[in-house]
Amino acid sequence: GAGVSQSPSNKVTEKGKDVELRCDPISGHTALYWYRQSLGQGLEFLIYFQGNSAPDKSGLPSDRFSAERTGGSVSTLTIQRTQQEDSAVYLCASSNRWGGAIGELFFGEGSRLTVL
Amino acid sequence: DQQVKQNSPSLSVQEGRISILNCDYTNSMFDYFLWYKKYPAEGPTFLISISSIKDKNEDGRFTVFLNKSAKHLSLHIVPSQPGDSAVYFCAASDDGSSNTGKLIFGQGTTLQVKP
Repeated sequence: GAGVSQSPSNKVTEKGKDVELRCDPISGHTALYWYRQSLGQGLEFLIYFQGNSAPDKSGLPSDRFSAERTGGSVSTLTIQRTQQEDSAVYLCASSNRWGGAIGELFFGEGSRLTVL
Repeated sequence: DQQVKQNSPSLSVQEGRISILNCDYTNSMFDYFLWYKKYPAEGPTFLISISSIKDKNEDGRFTVFLNKSAKHLSLHIVPSQPGDSAVYFCAASDDGSSNTGKLIFGQGTTLQVKP
């Protein structure tokens, strides 16, 4: 489809393991965002990529979290040594300066991470 | 430091009546505000937005009001329909001149519209 695609849709892992979450943004979108929603919480900003600029990592909760965006398109969010408090739905979004309403982010369906 | 706050976690209204969802913010640099709607197991979708140079924006049954002096905005849905039942997130940006600035979201309000 033409929307934001995330994989896996569900991931169950053991505490201490590393996980990778993938996001395919809408083709041509210059900005890519990662948010997460913990149970009963709002959308928490994690990291933001815009074109070739240095990413805004101000929302990453710890150094166990990292993200990269290769070729200005696909992004991978990596969580090392997962903890139970990392359990959440991780949402990816993209946007395009020239398309959609100002400020409109197009979200994927999310990757639900459960750390046992 | 919660810069965007939705103090009501839930709201229940009767079909046909008005739904009013509220949002407060603390950062005076925010210049663009948006509402997103989220159904279970789906990503949030854009609903309506407002620039800080306006105090009202209307789109069909949805109207957003902005009170800059009070740092408060609200979303009115009238008439409310059962299909409007969802979680509504308020969001703000300090980079309204470009739609690629990051958004800061509130905690969300779960709206239930009863038939």
